[in-house]
Amino acid sequence: QSALTQPASVSGSPGQSITISCTGTSSDVGSYNLVSWYQQLPGKAPELIIFEVSQRPSGVSNRFSGSKSGNTASLTISGLQAEDEADYYCCSYAGTTIHWVFGGGTKLAVL
Amino acid sequence: EVQLVESGGGLVQPGRSLRLSCTASGFPFGDYAMSWVRQAPGKGLEWVGFTRSKALYGTTEYAASVKGRFTISRDNSKSIAYLQMNSLKIEDTAVYYCSRRSGADAFDIWGQGTMVTVSS
Repeated sequence: QSALTQPASVSGSPGQSITISCTGTSSDVGSYNLVSWYQQLPGKAPELIIFEVSQRPSGVSNRFSGSKSGNTASLTISGLQAEDEADYYCCSYAGTTIHWVFGGGTKLAVL
Repeated sequence: EVQLVESGGGLVQPGRSLRLSCTASGFPFGDYAMSWVRQAPGKGLEWVGFTRSKALYGTTEYAASVKGRFTISRDNSKSIAYLQMNSLKIEDTAVYYCSRRSGADAFDIWGQGTMVTVSS
């Protein structure tokens, strides 16, 4: 069982918005603003799309946004496009013993 | 171009050892912490461990699942990070990625991964 809980799958139509949740505990997501999100296209390595809860790396579309409330972080993708179909993983720093924990991943289908 | 390239994966029997390499280019390797993350077939990502930057003497930390069996090291002169895996178990079967840890405590650059299969 993964340390952070994500829905196994979400879906949306082109142009719509979807939100993926990532629920942790007060020892990880709730304690640190060090939540990151990764997009993994089929057969490819993960790619960073959000860091420090809501920051986007250079070159990442502004259709991707992140937020956090309490022990739950969220990734929102607006204006869904077919190319957004991928697996999405959240990750949080969890202190000096566990260090980093990932979510189980969410498969996004663009219908 | 900033790049990470893993190598050294393959098929290995349970109980045996394997060493993976991660060759970096395009950035000052010694200035960055480097992590290993794995992904079992059809499963999610799991952080394995990391080595801190040369300023922090390359000290290491590990996930509980590999502590005592895996060792991470680095050669800053060659821009290579290593993952020495001993006493391998079937459940260590995965694609192993190396990644750079950014100043914002995120994994901002990833290699293409190398597959490790532990099977008799």
